Order: sequence, then structure tokens, then C-alpha cells
Amino acid sequence: EVQLVESGGGLVKPGGSLRLSCAASGFGLSGTWMNWVRQAPGKGLEWVGRIKAEAGGGATDYADPVKGRFTISRDDSKKALYLQMNSLKTEDTAVYFCSALSTWGGVIVISYWGQGTLVTVSS
Amino acid sequence: DIQLTQSPSSLSASIGDRVTITCRASQSTGNYLNWYQQKPGKAPKVLIYAASSLQSGVPSRFSGSGSGTDFTLTISSLQPEDFATYYCQQSYTIPWTFGQGTNVEIK
Repeated sequence: EVQLVESGGGLVKPGGSLRLSCAASGFGLSGTWMNWVRQAPGKGLEWVGRIKAEAGGGATDYADPVKGRFTISRDDSKKALYLQMNSLKTEDTAVYFCSALSTWGGVIVISYWGQGTLVTVSS
Repeated sequence: DIQLTQSPSSLSASIGDRVTITCRASQSTGNYLNWYQQKPGKAPKVLIYAASSLQSGVPSRFSGSGSGTDFTLTISSLQPEDFATYYCQQSYTIPWTFGQGTNVEIK
């Protein structure tokens, strides 16, 4: 069974940093592209960024609101995905979902999701 | 960036109703369009991928259609467990984007 379990959320002051972790199990993380999506309280889903598999160079892409402040990384040996968040703003307050990507029917799909971890940026 | 506009933003429907949600893209996404269902306090789950393919385990009352810029999610006969928020999402080009969501409520 695929499981993604996020951790590391909490309360942080504006301008601060936080690192989220995602523990993956039940599938081969090393060959899987991974993804972060967030959801502000009472709002819709917002794509944060993705990381390709190491075999694909582990390249990353980010949404404009987080580019230059957030960094996605992975440690396949530990079966873990990370989201390093720096220079946090109040508008970064959200539940952050770790997710796995699959290619189905030739289309990339956000196939599996963690339960999410809440990040609150407030003074 | 490709903008996805869902309509309606919310709807009220009764058990057994046929429900249609549309997703319009600001530019063509081919068939790189997926639909997700999210219930309160839960993670989203994929219902439809590649515009019209039903994800394994999803009831056949869900269907998707469309290509290019206009897409539709249809629930043929609404069931109690279908009351949720539905999102379309494009993976045609970075940045990936989601529609604003459609909240399906009980009438």
C-alpha cells in the first residue's frame, strides 16, 4: 500500500524557515517524480513544485510564488522527500501535501497524496 | 500560466441527480487534464485522468470528456458519498495549475 506521511509543520514567524519531510513507503520512490501541493485555509489547491527522479537528474520546478524561497529535495536511500521553506510569508500559511506523480495514459497525474501537514506563518 | 476556470463554483443537488461541472482552460492543454475529489479534512484523490480515463476503483457514474480548452466532469447519478469539492488540474505545462474548485452540496 502506498503511504506518504508528512511531518515538520508548525507555527513559524514571518521571515523564518521550516523544513517539511515526507516519508514514502509501499512503492519505489527512486523512480518516481514527486510533488508538493498546498491549500490555504478554506481555499483551493495550489501547486508548489515538483522534483524528477534521480535518473532524470532530479531536476526541480517551482511555482512563481515560492521560487527562490522554497527548495524541494529527495533522499531515495531514506525514502524521503523534503521541502525547505525560507523567508516565509503569512501567505504561505497552508496545509502542505506531499504527493507522488505517475504517468497514466501519457499524462502526468498526481496519483497518491499524503494527509498533509499544517504550516502557520504568523507573528 | 494556464488558467483553469471551473463552473459553477458551487451547486446544490439531490441524490440521484445528474451533475455536470465544466473546466475551461485559458489555452489548449490537449488532454493533459485531470479531475480530483476532495472531502473536508482529507487529501484529494484522482477520479479522472487524461481528460476521460476513469481511475481504477472509481465508480462508473463518474465520467470525463473534452480536449483542448473545454472539459467536463459528469456524475450520472449523485450518491451521498459524492458530496465534496471537485478540482480540475492541468499537467500540460509548468506551472501546473488547478481550477478554483466546485463545491457539490446536498439540496
